[in-house]
Amino acid sequence: EVQLVESGGGLVQPGRSLRLSCVASGFTFDDYAMHWVRQVPGKGLEWVSGIFWNSDSIGYADSVKGRFTISRDNAKNSLYLQMNSLRAEDTALYYCAKDLGATTAAIGYWGQGALVTVSS
Amino acid sequence: EIVMTQSPATLSVSPGERAILSCRATESVSNNLAWYQQKPGQAPRLLIYGTSTRATGIPARFSGSGSGTEYTLTISSLQSEDFAAYYCQQYTNWPLTFGGGTKVEIK
Repeated sequence: EVQLVESGGGLVQPGRSLRLSCVASGFTFDDYAMHWVRQVPGKGLEWVSGIFWNSDSIGYADSVKGRFTISRDNAKNSLYLQMNSLRAEDTALYYCAKDLGATTAAIGYWGQGALVTVSS
Repeated sequence: EIVMTQSPATLSVSPGERAILSCRATESVSNNLAWYQQKPGQAPRLLIYGTSTRATGIPARFSGSGSGTEYTLTISSLQSEDFAAYYCQQYTNWPLTFGGGTKVEIK
């Protein structure tokens, strides 16, 4: 059974940093691209960032480019999102998500999410 | 960036009726189109990918069609568990982009 477990969310002041982690199990982690997708409660879905199976290609939404960094450690079956210079508009539930393929396909599985609240 | 627009925003349907949800892209997504279902308090679930391929375990009452910039999700006979929000998403280019969603509610 595929499992994606996020951690690292919480309350943080504007301008500060936070690092999200996602531990994967139930599949061969380094066979798949991975993503972070966020959702403001009650609103729609926004793709934040994605990374190919081998980290050769990485992408970001314009809203986070230059502030967020995605990475993965295939040896640890883990995905990360380093979030710097956080803003109030970054407040959302952040989902770790597994692609259907090694590069880019649809998102096949989602974690339960980590809530990030940016507020003073 | 490819912008995805879903319509209608809300669809009121009686159980047993058919629901048709639309998704339009600002440029061709070459059938790299997925649909997701999300119920309150839950993570999204993949329904359809590649425009018309049902994901594992998805009932046959869900079907997808379309091409180019216009796509449709059809739920042939709505069951009580189908009342939820639905999102389309293109994955032909990064950034991946989602539509704003269609909420299917009980009429």
